[in-house]
Amino acid sequence: SQQGEEDPQALSIQEGENATMNCSYKTSINNLQWYRQNSGRGLVHLILIRSNEREKHSGRLRVTLDTSKKSSSLLITASRAADTASYFCATDLYNMNSGYSTLTFGKGTMLLVSP
Amino acid sequence: KAGVTQTPRYLIKTRGQQVTLSCSPISGHRSVSWYQQTPGQGLQFLFEYFSETQRNKGNFPGRFSGRQFSNSRSEMNVSTLELGDSALYLCASSLAASPGGYSYNEQFFGPGTRLTVL
Repeated sequence: SQQGEEDPQALSIQEGENATMNCSYKTSINNLQWYRQNSGRGLVHLILIRSNEREKHSGRLRVTLDTSKKSSSLLITASRAADTASYFCATDLYNMNSGYSTLTFGKGTMLLVSP
Repeated sequence: KAGVTQTPRYLIKTRGQQVTLSCSPISGHRSVSWYQQTPGQGLQFLFEYFSETQRNKGNFPGRFSGRQFSNSRSEMNVSTLELGDSALYLCASSLAASPGGYSYNEQFFGPGTRLTVL
């Protein structure tokens, strides 16, 4: 099963509203990253939050991380039609077998922002 | 800096054939990862290369293989194609956090190669 699970699977809002997406994971992580993907294209990195951080901001984006609940949330404030995309969380896990990290993606939240 | 480039962008093959996909990372990036994206399974990690060495491998059959060259360019190969291999194959490069590979930095993705197997 996926390490990171986003919720909701789909979200439809009006321009100007805020959008909140959540991500839950199962095991301890090094960091958690959020990415955006427009319509079958490559992913674009939005923000990285390390396991010892609780909140980060970048422009209209706010990410929180609660390691005790193994969850993260991405808030997009004052949404625009151009924010329409799929949003993925990715968890950085240390692989004891290989000795290296693996980045594991959830299945994403599809956000539709209507004008 | 030029972004991550992938070639070809689209590919149509038939079952049983093999295919090679290419990825050129951002200049200076030595870590290259490959992912398969399908509607049903989402984004799944295939493998990661750093300095011509495969450091990590996902849970895919041996038909999926890859390599990295001394200039950090990477190729992945899928042999004996199956219908289920139809997917968007994404390559991502990054500055590895440390030679030991502890912790991933920001990944820069290419536009992907859309593979259709008929």
